[in-house]
Amino acid sequence: SQQGEEDPQALSIQEGENATMNCSYKTSINNLQWYRQNSGRGLVHLILIRSNEREKHSGRLRVTLDTSKKSSSLLITASRAADTASYFCATEHPNTGFQKLVFGTGTRLLVSP
Amino acid sequence: DTEVTQTPKHLVMGMTNKKSLKCEQHMGHRAMYWYKQKAKKPPELMFVYSYEKLSINESVPSRFSPECPNSSLLNLHLHALQPEDSALYLCASSQAITRDSNEQFFGPGTRLTVL
Repeated sequence: SQQGEEDPQALSIQEGENATMNCSYKTSINNLQWYRQNSGRGLVHLILIRSNEREKHSGRLRVTLDTSKKSSSLLITASRAADTASYFCATEHPNTGFQKLVFGTGTRLLVSP
Repeated sequence: DTEVTQTPKHLVMGMTNKKSLKCEQHMGHRAMYWYKQKAKKPPELMFVYSYEKLSINESVPSRFSPECPNSSLLNLHLHALQPEDSALYLCASSQAITRDSNEQFFGPGTRLTVL
């Protein structure tokens, strides 16, 4: 299976703190995406980082990619209660077609007021 | 309109029933997807339609039958399901033009329970 692994599986922090979650994958990628899922609902695309990029920012989100280690991290700064959700990385691989995303196992984030 | 809609929100069906899930998008996207998601697990790809043609079938059992009547609509026909098929079924769409542009837009899902 190409499925990525994420850690931690669960993360509990206070509002205002930063949250970091990590994603590791197994084979070379075209790009890596991060999605958020609120409880029992659809996923929302957060950010896409291409294989030739090392870092990307979007608002309070910072994503890094290290293709030599086959890993990525998502940093959420100054977290809010509304950030409580599950976060999934998803990878697009050159050998499986660009329409097939492989989702990681996910990190459940709880931000307490 | 940047929304993917799915109906129904919830569905309870017996193992002998036939039902359908519906998905609609009006973003002009030419790729549409069905995913299955079990509790506390990541979404698993089931089917991909590209330009209204089935392009990916992830070895899904024949009791699940997808249909793409036009570029805006995607159906999933269900027949003779098993209790282990109970899950959240997610529909998604994307522009499907090139690599590195495959941001997927997801609907809210249909929560399916098979009795």
